[in-house]
Amino acid sequence: QSALTQPASVSGSPGQSITISCTGTSSDVGSYNLVSWYQQHPGKAPKLMIYEDSKRPSGVSNRFSGSKSGNTASLTISGLQAEDEGDYYCCSYAGSSTFYVFGTGTKVTVL
Amino acid sequence: EVQLVESGGGLVQPGGSLRLSCAASGFTFSRYAMHWVRQAPGRGLEYVSGISVNGGSTFYANSVKGRFIISRDNSKNTLYLQMGSLRPEDMAVYYCASWGYVETTYFDYWGQGALVTVSS
Repeated sequence: QSALTQPASVSGSPGQSITISCTGTSSDVGSYNLVSWYQQHPGKAPKLMIYEDSKRPSGVSNRFSGSKSGNTASLTISGLQAEDEGDYYCCSYAGSSTFYVFGTGTKVTVL
Repeated sequence: EVQLVESGGGLVQPGGSLRLSCAASGFTFSRYAMHWVRQAPGRGLEYVSGISVNGGSTFYANSVKGRFIISRDNSKNTLYLQMGSLRPEDMAVYYCASWGYVETTYFDYWGQGALVTVSS
């Protein structure tokens, strides 16, 4: 049950695009199209931004997009805005013996 | 409006026990799997436990296996987490959550969290 690997921090200027990676294994990220991405602000519950690798829930800005290649999933935020600052976590289904595993988390800073 | 409201958090000594509850409203609780996710102070999210719609299947992270028990009462729309033999490393905010599909629409619901402090 090892956590998925994310960069500790990513930063960008307003209007730029950034990408957060989420590296797992062939037992989790690579096996299922079930990676979700969450945004979390201090003291708040996580908010779903992407589900099933690349689907965006209703109400989430189209500046957020998800993709996956092999054992690595990615979240891209385009047109970076100040409100995008926060912590981001990936989460993958990992089969019936492990169930779900979260990423280590990435702090996004808007410069 | 969907609400998941956790309760039962608090201060407990190492080795002690605590039971968290999560009262659900605004969605058909009995149709969906439920989960507990925790977050230690300044740390990331950790998947703790999950339970199937009828309670027949449960899952526990290795870190809590044998010490925590997840259960649900569909007649009361309530999820529980019985925590025993608590350790300082169990100190965290515990969130109850549910995610999946309502017909063709994906949903993802989280409570506001319950703080569990393990300290002597």
